[in-house]
Amino acid sequence: EDQVTQSPEALRLQEGESSSLNCSYTVSGLRGLFWYRQDPGKGPEFLFTLYSAGEEKEKERLKATLTKKESFLHITAPKPEDSATYLCAVQADYGQNFVFGPGTRLSVLP
Amino acid sequence: ETGVTQTPRHLVMGMTNKKSLKCEQHLGHNAMYWYKQSAKKPLELMFVYSLEERVENNSVPSRFSPECPNSSHLFLHLHTLQPEDSALYLCASSQDWGGAGYTFGSGTRLTVV
Repeated sequence: EDQVTQSPEALRLQEGESSSLNCSYTVSGLRGLFWYRQDPGKGPEFLFTLYSAGEEKEKERLKATLTKKESFLHITAPKPEDSATYLCAVQADYGQNFVFGPGTRLSVLP
Repeated sequence: ETGVTQTPRHLVMGMTNKKSLKCEQHLGHNAMYWYKQSAKKPLELMFVYSLEERVENNSVPSRFSPECPNSSHLFLHLHTLQPEDSALYLCASSQDWGGAGYTFGSGTRLTVV
């Protein structure tokens, strides 16, 4: 069974304090790994898609990386507006549907 | 402003009521999805429609009934719900079923009393 876990469950950072969020997955064959950001009271917003080990994507203060077992979302010098829940999802190569992880709730304090 | 619009944003209903959630997308996408998001649990896929045809029904209780009258609209009809059905219900769309980068709506926060 395909599984996605994320750690930590919650993370509190000071503004400017860089850190990383982890997404570990178990899937027989990976078609793609996706990162989303979700603000309170809103739906998830698409951030990145990664397809193969070694791939990296960047957007402003965020950088996503992928290995054969996990993905990291690195946040460099975060700002309070980066506070949100970050969701990871995987898509297996034998199907169309996504499996989502439970998310990491990030709080960045000024 | 997201290209996927959900109404209502909030809904409180009794266990004997019947209500419907509405989702509309203006992106020209061919696939639409209903997800359930409960506190501290991963998003759960409920239904998938591709080209207006239901292609996935993830063992969802019959008290939830989806409808897709055309490629731009998706409904979730609710009847005789239970308190444990209280959750955020999210609609999403993608260019094709399984396509990358879902666009989500803002959700309907449902409370069953």
